[in-house]
Amino acid sequence: SQKIEQNSEALNIQEGKTATLTCNYTNYSPAYLQWYRQDPGRGPVFLLLIRENEKEKRKERLKVTFDTTLKQSLFHITASQPADSATYLCALDGTTSGTYKYIFGTGTRLKVLA
Amino acid sequence: EAGVAQSPRYKIIEKRQSVAFWCNPISGHATLYWYQQILGQGPKLLIQFQNNGVVDDSQLPKDRFSAERLKGVDSTLKIQPAKLEDSAVYLCASSMGQTSLSGANVLTFGAGSRLTVL
Repeated sequence: SQKIEQNSEALNIQEGKTATLTCNYTNYSPAYLQWYRQDPGRGPVFLLLIRENEKEKRKERLKVTFDTTLKQSLFHITASQPADSATYLCALDGTTSGTYKYIFGTGTRLKVLA
Repeated sequence: EAGVAQSPRYKIIEKRQSVAFWCNPISGHATLYWYQQILGQGPKLLIQFQNNGVVDDSQLPKDRFSAERLKGVDSTLKIQPAKLEDSAVYLCASSMGQTSLSGANVLTFGAGSRLTVL
Protein backbone atom coordinates (compact mmCIF):
# COMPACT_ATOMS: atom_id res chain seq x y z
CA SER A 1 0.00 0.00 0.00
CA GLN A 2 1.04 3.61 -0.42
CA LYS A 3 3.14 5.17 2.31
CA ILE A 4 4.35 8.68 3.08
CA GLU A 5 7.04 9.22 5.67
CA GLN A 6 8.07 12.41 7.32
CA ASN A 7 10.51 12.77 10.16
CA SER A 8 8.33 12.11 13.17
CA GLU A 9 10.78 13.70 15.57
CA ALA A 10 10.51 17.40 16.18
CA LEU A 11 13.06 19.62 14.48
CA ASN A 12 14.56 22.40 16.62
CA ILE A 13 16.64 25.05 14.89
CA GLN A 14 18.03 28.44 15.74
CA GLU A 15 16.42 31.57 14.38
CA GLY A 16 17.98 32.70 11.12
CA LYS A 17 19.05 29.20 10.07
CA THR A 18 17.55 27.15 7.25
CA ALA A 19 15.10 24.43 8.24
CA THR A 20 14.96 21.38 5.98
CA LEU A 21 12.10 18.90 6.21
CA THR A 22 11.91 15.61 4.36
CA CYS A 23 9.02 13.73 2.77
CA ASN A 24 9.54 10.24 1.34
CA TYR A 25 6.92 8.11 -0.35
CA THR A 26 6.46 4.61 -1.79
CA ASN A 27 3.94 2.91 -4.05
CA TYR A 28 2.59 6.19 -5.36
CA SER A 29 2.63 8.19 -8.56
CA PRO A 30 2.01 11.78 -7.52
CA ALA A 31 1.05 14.30 -10.14
CA TYR A 32 1.64 16.97 -7.51
CA LEU A 33 3.31 17.12 -4.14
CA GLN A 34 2.01 19.73 -1.74
CA TRP A 35 3.11 21.18 1.57
CA TYR A 36 0.78 22.42 4.27
CA ARG A 37 1.32 24.16 7.58
CA GLN A 38 -0.72 23.29 10.64
CA ASP A 39 -0.82 25.33 13.83
CA PRO A 40 -2.15 23.87 17.11
CA GLY A 41 -5.95 23.78 17.16
CA ARG A 42 -6.25 24.70 13.49
CA GLY A 43 -6.71 22.95 10.19
CA PRO A 44 -3.81 22.63 7.72
CA VAL A 45 -3.15 25.60 5.45
CA PHE A 46 -1.77 25.16 1.94
CA LEU A 47 1.71 26.60 1.35
CA LEU A 48 3.22 25.40 -1.88
CA LEU A 49 2.91 22.73 -4.53
CA ILE A 50 5.28 21.22 -7.06
CA ARG A 51 4.45 19.23 -10.15
CA GLU A 52 5.94 15.85 -10.97
CA ASN A 53 7.96 17.32 -13.84
CA GLU A 54 9.38 20.17 -11.76
CA LYS A 55 12.61 19.93 -9.79
CA GLU A 56 12.32 23.01 -7.62
CA LYS A 57 9.80 25.66 -6.66
CA ARG A 58 10.24 28.81 -4.60
CA LYS A 59 7.91 31.17 -2.81
CA GLU A 60 9.43 33.93 -0.70
CA ARG A 61 11.48 32.14 2.01
CA LEU A 62 10.15 28.71 1.07
CA LYS A 63 11.73 26.27 -1.35
CA VAL A 64 10.54 22.82 -2.34
CA THR A 65 12.45 20.21 -4.31
CA PHE A 66 10.97 17.09 -5.84
CA ASP A 67 12.91 14.00 -6.95
CA THR A 68 10.59 11.39 -8.45
CA THR A 69 13.50 8.95 -8.86
CA LEU A 70 14.32 9.05 -5.16
CA LYS A 71 10.61 9.47 -4.36
CA GLN A 72 11.46 12.35 -2.08
CA SER A 73 10.66 15.99 -1.51
CA LEU A 74 12.63 18.45 0.57
CA PHE A 75 11.01 21.54 2.07
CA HIS A 76 13.28 24.41 3.07
CA ILE A 77 12.52 27.51 5.11
CA THR A 78 15.36 30.01 4.86
CA ALA A 79 16.06 32.72 7.44
CA SER A 80 13.70 30.93 9.82
CA GLN A 81 11.74 32.88 12.41
CA PRO A 82 9.99 31.82 15.64
CA ALA A 83 6.68 32.49 13.81
CA ASP A 84 7.57 29.59 11.48
CA SER A 85 7.15 27.17 14.39
CA ALA A 86 4.36 24.77 13.42
CA THR A 87 3.76 21.27 12.07
CA TYR A 88 4.43 20.86 8.36
CA LEU A 89 2.60 18.21 6.38
CA CYS A 90 3.36 16.91 2.93
CA ALA A 91 0.54 15.63 0.77
CA LEU A 92 0.50 13.56 -2.39
CA ASP A 93 -2.04 14.27 -5.09
CA GLY A 94 -2.02 11.48 -7.65
CA THR A 95 -2.61 7.79 -8.13
CA THR A 96 -1.71 4.55 -6.44
CA SER A 97 -2.50 1.19 -8.08
CA GLY A 98 -4.52 3.07 -10.67
CA THR A 99 -6.76 4.73 -8.09
CA TYR A 100 -6.76 8.45 -7.38
CA LYS A 101 -5.76 9.26 -3.82
CA TYR A 102 -4.97 12.43 -1.91
CA ILE A 103 -3.01 11.46 1.18
CA PHE A 104 -1.06 13.21 3.90
CA GLY A 105 2.13 12.37 5.70
CA THR A 106 2.39 12.28 9.47
CA GLY A 107 3.90 15.75 9.69
CA THR A 108 7.07 17.16 11.19
CA ARG A 109 6.93 19.60 14.08
CA LEU A 110 9.31 22.51 13.63
CA LYS A 111 10.37 24.75 16.47
CA VAL A 112 12.45 27.82 15.73
CA LEU A 113 14.32 29.04 18.77
CA ALA A 114 14.86 32.76 19.30
CA GLU B 1 -14.25 34.69 0.72
CA ALA B 2 -15.72 32.77 3.61
CA GLY B 3 -13.74 29.71 4.69
CA VAL B 4 -14.85 26.19 5.51
CA ALA B 5 -17.20 26.25 8.49
CA GLN B 6 -17.37 23.40 10.98
CA SER B 7 -19.36 22.80 14.14
CA PRO B 8 -19.19 22.03 16.94
CA ARG B 9 -15.60 22.93 17.70
CA TYR B 10 -15.48 20.65 20.73
CA LYS B 11 -17.54 17.69 21.84
CA ILE B 12 -17.18 15.35 24.81
CA ILE B 13 -19.28 12.19 24.93
CA GLU B 14 -19.35 8.84 26.68
CA LYS B 15 -18.48 5.72 24.73
CA ARG B 16 -21.43 4.14 22.93
CA GLN B 17 -23.10 7.55 22.56
CA SER B 18 -23.60 9.18 19.18
CA VAL B 19 -22.27 12.45 17.78
CA ALA B 20 -22.68 14.44 14.58
CA PHE B 21 -20.41 16.98 12.96
CA TRP B 22 -21.44 19.54 10.39
CA CYS B 23 -19.44 21.14 7.60
CA ASN B 24 -20.20 23.93 5.15
CA PRO B 25 -17.56 24.12 2.39
CA ILE B 26 -16.43 27.10 0.39
CA SER B 27 -19.09 28.20 -2.06
CA GLY B 28 -18.59 26.63 -5.47
CA HIS B 29 -16.27 23.87 -4.25
CA ALA B 30 -17.52 20.61 -5.72
CA THR B 31 -15.39 18.28 -3.65
CA LEU B 32 -15.72 17.81 0.10
CA TYR B 33 -13.51 15.69 2.34
CA TRP B 34 -13.73 14.43 5.89
CA TYR B 35 -10.45 13.59 7.59
CA GLN B 36 -9.72 12.10 10.99
CA GLN B 37 -6.59 13.39 12.72
CA ILE B 38 -5.43 11.58 15.84
CA LEU B 39 -3.02 13.50 18.05
CA GLY B 40 0.50 13.39 16.63
CA GLN B 41 -0.56 11.92 13.31
CA GLY B 42 -1.35 13.25 9.87
CA PRO B 43 -4.91 13.58 8.59
CA LYS B 44 -6.47 10.30 7.44
CA LEU B 45 -9.14 10.47 4.75
CA LEU B 46 -12.47 9.06 5.85
CA ILE B 47 -14.68 10.01 2.92
CA GLN B 48 -14.56 12.17 -0.20
CA PHE B 49 -17.63 13.56 -1.98
CA GLN B 50 -17.85 14.95 -5.48
CA ASN B 51 -21.01 17.09 -5.39
CA ASN B 52 -23.38 14.72 -3.56
CA GLY B 53 -21.78 11.46 -4.71
CA VAL B 54 -19.18 9.42 -2.82
CA VAL B 55 -15.79 9.19 -4.56
CA ASP B 56 -13.83 7.33 -1.87
CA ASP B 57 -14.98 5.91 1.44
CA SER B 58 -12.55 3.01 1.61
CA GLN B 59 -11.25 4.01 5.06
CA LEU B 60 -14.59 4.89 6.62
CA PRO B 61 -15.55 2.42 9.39
CA LYS B 62 -18.99 1.89 7.98
CA ASP B 63 -20.27 -0.09 10.95
CA ARG B 64 -20.23 3.07 13.05
CA PHE B 65 -19.49 6.06 10.81
CA SER B 66 -21.80 7.55 8.23
CA ALA B 67 -21.68 10.72 6.17
CA GLU B 68 -23.97 12.48 3.78
CA ARG B 69 -23.96 15.47 1.51
CA LEU B 70 -27.55 15.54 0.35
CA LYS B 71 -27.72 18.72 -1.72
CA GLY B 72 -24.10 18.78 -2.81
CA VAL B 73 -23.28 21.61 -0.42
CA ASP B 74 -22.98 21.06 3.32
CA SER B 75 -22.25 17.71 4.90
CA THR B 76 -22.77 15.79 8.13
CA LEU B 77 -20.51 13.12 9.61
CA LYS B 78 -22.04 10.87 12.25
CA ILE B 79 -20.51 8.38 14.65
CA GLN B 80 -22.79 5.86 16.34
CA PRO B 81 -21.84 4.26 18.67
CA ALA B 82 -18.61 6.02 19.55
CA LYS B 83 -15.54 4.17 20.81
CA LEU B 84 -12.62 5.44 22.84
CA GLU B 85 -10.36 5.24 19.79
CA ASP B 86 -12.59 7.70 17.93
CA SER B 87 -11.14 10.51 20.05
CA ALA B 88 -9.59 12.77 17.42
CA VAL B 89 -10.03 15.98 15.48
CA TYR B 90 -12.42 15.67 12.57
CA LEU B 91 -11.37 17.96 9.76
CA CYS B 92 -13.53 18.98 6.86
CA ALA B 93 -11.92 20.30 3.69
CA SER B 94 -13.13 21.35 0.27
CA SER B 95 -11.61 21.87 -3.15
CA MET B 96 -12.72 22.95 -6.57
CA GLY B 97 -11.51 19.88 -8.41
CA GLN B 98 -11.69 16.17 -7.81
CA THR B 99 -8.47 14.73 -9.10
CA SER B 100 -5.09 15.89 -10.26
CA LEU B 101 -6.09 15.06 -13.83
CA SER B 102 -7.87 18.39 -14.00
CA GLY B 103 -5.12 20.38 -12.30
CA ALA B 104 -3.64 20.62 -8.85
CA ASN B 105 -6.15 19.85 -6.16
CA VAL B 106 -5.57 22.33 -3.33
CA LEU B 107 -7.59 21.73 -0.18
CA THR B 108 -8.99 24.39 2.13
CA PHE B 109 -9.61 23.11 5.64
CA GLY B 110 -11.93 24.13 8.40
CA ALA B 111 -10.70 24.55 11.98
CA GLY B 112 -11.85 21.04 12.88
CA SER B 113 -14.11 19.46 15.48
CA ARG B 114 -12.31 17.95 18.45
CA LEU B 115 -14.02 14.85 19.81
CA THR B 116 -13.22 13.33 23.19
CA VAL B 117 -14.78 9.96 23.98
CA LEU B 118 -14.72 9.01 27.67
